[in-house]
Amino acid sequence: QKEVEQNSGPLSVPEGAIASLNCTYSDRGSQSFFWYRQYSGKSPELIMSIYSNGDKEDGRFTAQLNKASQYVSLLIRDSQPSDSATYLCAVDSGGSNYKLTFGKGTLLTVNP
Amino acid sequence: GAVVSQHPSRVICKSGTSVKIECRSLDFQATTMFWYRQFPKKSLMLMATSNEGSKATYEQGVEKDKFLINHASLTLSTLTVTSAHPEDSSFYICSASTSGGRPDTQYFGPGTRLTVL
Repeated sequence: QKEVEQNSGPLSVPEGAIASLNCTYSDRGSQSFFWYRQYSGKSPELIMSIYSNGDKEDGRFTAQLNKASQYVSLLIRDSQPSDSATYLCAVDSGGSNYKLTFGKGTLLTVNP
Repeated sequence: GAVVSQHPSRVICKSGTSVKIECRSLDFQATTMFWYRQFPKKSLMLMATSNEGSKATYEQGVEKDKFLINHASLTLSTLTVTSAHPEDSSFYICSASTSGGRPDTQYFGPGTRLTVL
């Protein structure tokens, strides 16, 4: 059973701080990794994808991947109240049939 | 661009009835669509992968006779929950892919909240 684990939180940070979200996965053969933001009652929105070890930066977001440790993280710099949402980590194991396995998500609250 | 709609957004039905949920890609053609289910405080779980013109591929534990999927055109997939029961109450989300199902080409619909009384 392929699993994706996240701390459910809630994670609370003050406005302007760095929010750090973590995720581990069980399938060592996983190839692609994604972070989604989901507001309450809404569908997920892709915010970052990462495929190789190291860091990938996009604006205030940085995704970090360490395949040896089976660990992927998301850093949000200069956190804003509008960043308050549940962040879902998702992993695709690769192959011809794409299939995303999602974690339960971490609830982030950014306090003004 | 890449907008996916779902209809209805909310539905309440009696136990034993069937409910159809539509997923449409509004401005692109989607050869592959996915159906997910999300229970409260649980992760999004893939139910089935739908390819236009062929039978859907169901994930382990998902009853194909209960959750009927039809992907009759490149812009429309439907999920019918047959003989719905209260345990089927959930948030059903579809996604449509612009490129064969690659995750970074999947766009999610707004979801359908199903409540079975």
